Amino acid sequence: GAGVSQSPRYKVAKRGQDVALRCDPISGHVSLFWYQQALGQGPEFLTYFQNEAQLDKSGLPSDRFFAERPEGSVSTLKIQRTQQEDSAVYLCASRQEGSNQPQHFGDGTRLSIL
Amino acid sequence: AQRVTQPEKLLSVFKGAPVELKCNYSYSGSPELFWYVQYSRQRLQLLLRHISRESIKGFTADLNKGETSFHLKKPFAQEEDSAMYYCALSGHTNAGKSTFGDGTTLTVKP
Repeated sequence: GAGVSQSPRYKVAKRGQDVALRCDPISGHVSLFWYQQALGQGPEFLTYFQNEAQLDKSGLPSDRFFAERPEGSVSTLKIQRTQQEDSAVYLCASRQEGSNQPQHFGDGTRLSIL
Repeated sequence: AQRVTQPEKLLSVFKGAPVELKCNYSYSGSPELFWYVQYSRQRLQLLLRHISRESIKGFTADLNKGETSFHLKKPFAQEEDSAMYYCALSGHTNAGKSTFGDGTTLTVKP
């Protein structure tokens, strides 16, 4: 079937605006991850869901960042009052249950804050 | 805390030469280790994982718990191996959190 789908692919926003990034995981994948990837760096963990439960949000950089997965499928990452340092690629990945299972990544959303 | 270090940002070899991409990790428990690859204009994808002990596209990686390393090796590099490679770690004690290295860009020259 289809892989992980993220939208939009590109988002440009003015500083101070709110943005919402969407992730549609592979059907049946229990686990869902959000990462932030700055230029020249590896993906940095933001948060993790198992079904609808957000089990780890230790990587969210501030309370301006909020993620949800209300029905255990599609997830939304919301950033309020965006700042220039929020500019990055935001990656979503899904995985079958189990830490030894590989993650399947989407293409990411490239967010630019002006 | 868990950490992954890839000491080489850039690595360049000639076609047919051996290649080794280094990965060192820090984790207090028993880790799950992975290599992911990102080819030009493609999404990040799994290359191999240590639990499978398999060879993918001629690449192998051995987990060395004594040296806390998981280096990626290929005896004869091909031009199509040119890509960005990331080493990643997941822990049993915190099954959600995955830690990635900063990646190594491999260029295989003709």
